[in-house]
Amino acid sequence: DADVTQTPRNRITKTGKRIMLECSQTKGHDRMYWYRQDPGLGLRLIYYSFDVKDINKGEISDGYSVSRQAQAKFSLSLESAIPNQTALYFCATSDPDRAQETQYFGPGTRLLVL
Amino acid sequence: QKEVEQDPGPLSVPEGAIVSLNCTYSNSAFQYFMWYRQYSRKGPELLMYTYSSGNKEDGRFTAQVDKSSKYISLFIRDSQPSDSATYLCAMSLYSSASKIIFGSGTRLSIRP
Repeated sequence: DADVTQTPRNRITKTGKRIMLECSQTKGHDRMYWYRQDPGLGLRLIYYSFDVKDINKGEISDGYSVSRQAQAKFSLSLESAIPNQTALYFCATSDPDRAQETQYFGPGTRLLVL
Repeated sequence: QKEVEQDPGPLSVPEGAIVSLNCTYSNSAFQYFMWYRQYSRKGPELLMYTYSSGNKEDGRFTAQVDKSSKYISLFIRDSQPSDSATYLCAMSLYSSASKIIFGSGTRLSIRP
């Protein structure tokens, strides 16, 4: 089984709709992240969480919110989706106790907002 | 100007060739340098991690950092079709994964 899973893998929605993307991990890591990937722009950090009670905004948090329901679960919500939120979304985890803080990414959710 | 610049490619080379992938950056304070590999419809996975300047070798892969020129490279020797992927460079001021800046990625195709 994959260590970091994301649901759904693909989603088509309409402008103005609220949607939630979910991430679960079995790696036992406290730190979790949400990124979006756009052609020509690379990966950009939306939100990150260092533990269940610690949530921080990233580079591009406007229009997004998150919920850390448990150590293993971190959800990303688009309160009112707009077309420029069409992108590939990745969840990631990391373990800061290692000398090299490696991020482990999920398979991604492809979102299309019409 | 972006903090990290990376040629998007695509780059197509024959099997067995040496591949050179590069990134330039503007912030001279970056200390941690990474290369990620991303296969189609998959998430990125860490390939190489380097602290400060110098070279690091892992099998067919060599990462090189030139801080004086603000330039990093990834070399792939004896390239294989399975190396076909998008390669993302990334860098950070700190060891914390929350502060990583990613390049936009270079698409690489290895022709059999």
